Amino acid sequence: SQQGEEDPQALSIQEGENATMNCSYKTSINNLQWYRQNSGRGLVHLILIRSNEREKHSGRLRVTLDTSKKSSSLLITASRAADTASYFCATALNTGTASKLTFGTGTRLQVTL
Amino acid sequence: KAGVTQTPRYLIKTRGQQVTLSCSPISGHRSVSWYQQTPGQGLQFLFEYFSETQRNKGNFPGRFSGRQFSNSRSEMNVSTLELGDSALYLCASSETGGQGYTFGSGTRLTVV
Repeated sequence: SQQGEEDPQALSIQEGENATMNCSYKTSINNLQWYRQNSGRGLVHLILIRSNEREKHSGRLRVTLDTSKKSSSLLITASRAADTASYFCATALNTGTASKLTFGTGTRLQVTL
Repeated sequence: KAGVTQTPRYLIKTRGQQVTLSCSPISGHRSVSWYQQTPGQGLQFLFEYFSETQRNKGNFPGRFSGRQFSNSRSEMNVSTLELGDSALYLCASSETGGQGYTFGSGTRLTVV
């Protein structure tokens, strides 16, 4: 079953606007990662934030993590049409030497001109 | 450097058949994971291999199996295919696992 729930499920904005997506999860984590997927293709790793970090930036991306609320948000600033994709959060438990990603349900972002 | 390569890209099989999917990770990556993506269940973890050993396994029936070779290439096998096995199967690799993964483009399996 999915550990993460993302909202909104779908988001439509105009080019130049900011897009914010939220992710909630259920258990303690080692890190949380965000991925982008274009039209049912492979996932592209965007950013990773560790459980002891609160905020991280990468280009136009800003990720926050609140472990007390078990939630994270992804902000894409000055969006472009090329940002149109589905975005997934994924949590890594890293128990011992084993590791796996548990994905959220995803947010479909549509950026229009 | 070359990315994660999955073959074949598309596959159509009949119920009851078996299928083998292949994944070549990025050179130097020893962790290879497999995921199943369907519209109904989303992205679900199948299993992870590290240095030819299965380190973690998801909640899938025994019909789903995998292996990893000494060159880190991995295969997954699904036996006795069911209609519900139709999905996009994604392979991901990382140096040690748990950090950022690089995904392949996936194999889209259709079971008829």
